[in-house]
Amino acid sequence: DAGVIQSPRHEVTEMGQEVTLRCKPISGHDYLFWYRQTMMRGLELLIYFNNNVPIDDSGMPEDRFSAKMPNASFSTLKIQPSEPRDSAVYFCASSLGPGPQYFGPGTRLLVL
Amino acid sequence: GNSVTQMEGPVTLSEEAFLTINCTYTATGYPSLFWYVQYPGEGLQLLLKATKADDKGSNKGFEATYRKETTSFHLEKGSVQVSDSAVYFCALSVQTGANNLFFGTGTRLTVIP
Repeated sequence: DAGVIQSPRHEVTEMGQEVTLRCKPISGHDYLFWYRQTMMRGLELLIYFNNNVPIDDSGMPEDRFSAKMPNASFSTLKIQPSEPRDSAVYFCASSLGPGPQYFGPGTRLLVL
Repeated sequence: GNSVTQMEGPVTLSEEAFLTINCTYTATGYPSLFWYVQYPGEGLQLLLKATKADDKGSNKGFEATYRKETTSFHLEKGSVQVSDSAVYFCALSVQTGANNLFFGTGTRLTVIP
């Protein structure tokens, strides 16, 4: 299995621009998670989906952030407009039922 | 609520030293417990897990035992190697239908030759 795939691996953008992060979960997994990791705040759960339906988005920092999962093999996390404080590593993870989560390699975002 | 408290780092050890990273938890319900490892520049990888009391998870020479009486899941390794240098995260999930993980803050381990 290819594991969780994320793109891009690195993104540098300017403040105010729209940023779209992409994730392909492991085939057959029914849960998908988006996390953000920073030095200051550690690892934060932003949102998770079950069978493509958002279950808990209480971790989404503000309305500038949105996430979608149009089908079982694809999800996006969008930031519009981006701000320097959004700079972080964003991870996607997937799991099968209550099993362990498997993480992608992350997208390192830098907003100038 | 659900939370994980992890030993603060950083931890620096010499090669072949014994490693312990402490982890305690509070949980509503009956949790499963995990250790994840993050190598520099990479995502988190599942290292080991335990799903019920007294279970011992093990992988790559690392071990952790699910102790319900002390609500702990300490990570141990008898002889660390330079390649074990990474950040280690303790986590729990509660089997209530939701599947989100509650992570500790992570402990950075550096092993020096």
